[in-house]
Order: sequence, then structure tokens, then C-alpha cells
Amino acid sequence: DSGVTQTPKHLITATGQRVTLRCSPRSGDLSVYWYQQSLDQGLQFLIQYYNGEERAKGNILERFSAQQFPDLHSELNLSSLELGDSALYFCASSVVSGGETQYFGPGTRLLVL
Amino acid sequence: GESVGLHLPTLSVQEGDNSIINCAYSNSASDYFIWYKQESGKGPQFIIDIRSNMDKRQGQRVTVLLNKTVKHLSLQIAATQPGDSAVYFCAENTISGGYNKLIFGAGTRLAVHP
Repeated sequence: DSGVTQTPKHLITATGQRVTLRCSPRSGDLSVYWYQQSLDQGLQFLIQYYNGEERAKGNILERFSAQQFPDLHSELNLSSLELGDSALYFCASSVVSGGETQYFGPGTRLLVL
Repeated sequence: GESVGLHLPTLSVQEGDNSIINCAYSNSASDYFIWYKQESGKGPQFIIDIRSNMDKRQGQRVTVLLNKTVKHLSLQIAATQPGDSAVYFCAENTISGGYNKLIFGAGTRLAVHP
């Protein structure tokens, strides 16, 4: 157990809908990262937050957004969902902001029908 | 550009044999490298890391080797067990846009046969 929690574990929704994925980092970690992993693919970095502020952006679509709250938990919002958004979404956390190990949560499996 | 790749997408080994998973990286300025293990349906799990001022680091049954001359990273697993079956990712830390960023490789699937 990495100490990173994610909810929900599974999510099934329809095209055009909006969902919110939640992540709680390890105690003491200030950075949260979001990744997307499609079937048998690598990890695609989406976005990073550090202590409540956006720090780095990767290949995140405009339909996706995220935020980190004062208690350091983070939410990833996915809107106008398309079939191709079906994937595993992982959250990771680290102590500060890069250059160190990221610890991953168990992921949320999203299925868009 | 920045990239981390793997030589072998799938590696099959016999139980008890040693496994070697390879990774090439392109950014000579990368200063920190991590190996992750991802079992089916689970999140990546930290295995071992190494900083660029080292060329070898050992853990429990695992060893990471770093060859900065040829920009190559490898993970050696001794006495491979069925529980080692998973996808293994290497990741390099590099600076992008002024910030440290982990870049992950595509992954190598390790299949351990009895």
C-alpha cells in the first residue's frame, strides 16, 4: 500500500457526460500528479499540482481539468467524455516537486460507453 | 527530444533464472532514475532508484545498473519468481519547462514460466 488513495475504483458512464476522480496523497506529500494509461500503454502524464498550485502540464486535453485543495487532495474533472477517454487514471504523490520518487495510487478505471 | 524507451517489449523467463530488463534514455542531463513494477489492475509500485552519481545500486533481489556513457539503464532480478510477472517501467527525471519531470518508458512485460 503506497498510502495514496483514489476513488472511485471503477466508473462507467456514457459519452458526453462529466466525471470527477478524487485523489488523496500520502501524508506529508505536497505534490500530486495525474496520469492516464490506456490499455497496454505506458503512462501519459497529464498534470501536476504542488501545494495547491498547478506546476506542470503534460498531454492534458482542454476537456480535462484538475485542482488541488487546501487539504492537498486533488480532483481530476473529465467532461464531454468520448469513447477514447476510457482508460486507467492514476494519481501519484511526492514530497516536494520533482526529482524524487512518485508513489502511485491504485487507479480509477473509467469506461465510457 | 526527451524520451525513455525499452529494448524488449516482452521478456519470458523460467522460474529461478535471472531477468534483465533494459531501458535507453536520451537526455544526458537526467539525474535520477526509477524502476516501477505494475501488476495487472494495480498502480505502479516503486522498486528501486538510482542517482546519476552512481552506476550500481542493489536492493532485495534487484539491482539497477546505470551506464551514463551509452545512456542505458537496466534492472536485474535474481532468481525470478512467478510473483515477479508484471510490466516494468523505467522513468527518468529531467528538467522540462523549468521543473523536474518524470518521463516514463513504454514498459516491458515480464512473464515468468514455471
